[in-house]
Amino acid sequence: DIVMTQSPDSLAVSLAERATINCKSSQNILSTSYNKNYLAWYQQRPGQPPKLLFYWASTRQSGVPDRFSGSGSGTDFTLTISSLQAEDVAVYYCQQYYTTPTFGQGTKVEIK
Amino acid sequence: EVQLVESGGGLVQPGRSLRLSCAASGFTFDDYAMHWVRQAPGKGLEWVSGISWNSGNKGYADSVKGRFTISRDNAKNSLYLQMNSLRAEDTALYYCAKDSERGFGEFYYFDYWGQGTLVTVSS
Repeated sequence: DIVMTQSPDSLAVSLAERATINCKSSQNILSTSYNKNYLAWYQQRPGQPPKLLFYWASTRQSGVPDRFSGSGSGTDFTLTISSLQAEDVAVYYCQQYYTTPTFGQGTKVEIK
Repeated sequence: EVQLVESGGGLVQPGRSLRLSCAASGFTFDDYAMHWVRQAPGKGLEWVSGISWNSGNKGYADSVKGRFTISRDNAKNSLYLQMNSLRAEDTALYYCAKDSERGFGEFYYFDYWGQGTLVTVSS
C-alpha cells in the first residue's frame, strides 16, 4: 500500500495568516498516461464527516472558498489556506487513489 | 441533494457479527461506486471497503479482508457491510461515502459522506 505522510501533525495560525500543510506519498501518484496526480484533500470539522476540498491534487470542489489551494506533483503535495478564518479550524487529510485508497494521518489546524 | 444515511451500528461482543446499511438518495445510485470508511475514536480515517457500480469490482483493506463483505442493492439504493468476527480494534464510526466514478477497475475520491454509524466492539 502507498503510505501517505502529512506534516505537521498540528499547527496554530493567527487569523488572516497563511496555513500550509504538506503531504508526501511513499511512491509516485502521478499518472503519466493521463498527466494527473491521484490525490484528494478533505476537511473534517469537529463532530462532522469529512468534506471534499480538492481532487486531482489541485481541482477545487464546487463551493470551496478560493482561499484554499492545492498544489504539488509526483510524491509531494501541499494544501494552503491563504488567510485563515475561524471556520477553517479542522483536521485536514490527504488521500491517494492511485492504488487502494489510503489517507494521511491528518493535520489539525487551530487558531493561535 | 445527495444524502447518505447509515444505520445498523451498536454495541457488539468480540467475535460476533453486525450488518451496516447505507440508504442513498439525491443521485443515480447505480452510476457510482460506493465505499465504507471508518474512524476510530480520536483517530484518523481508514478506508475499509469499496464496491463498483455493478458489484463487479470489490476491494477490502487488509485489516478486514476475510471478515467483512461489502454488497449493494441498486434497486433499493442501498449499500451494506457485513462484519463478522468483530474485534475490539474494529470499534469506530463507520462512514458511507460516494465515489466520484463508477469504479470499473479502480476507485477514486469520495465526494459525499454520510454522518456515520458507531460500532463498538466490547465484552
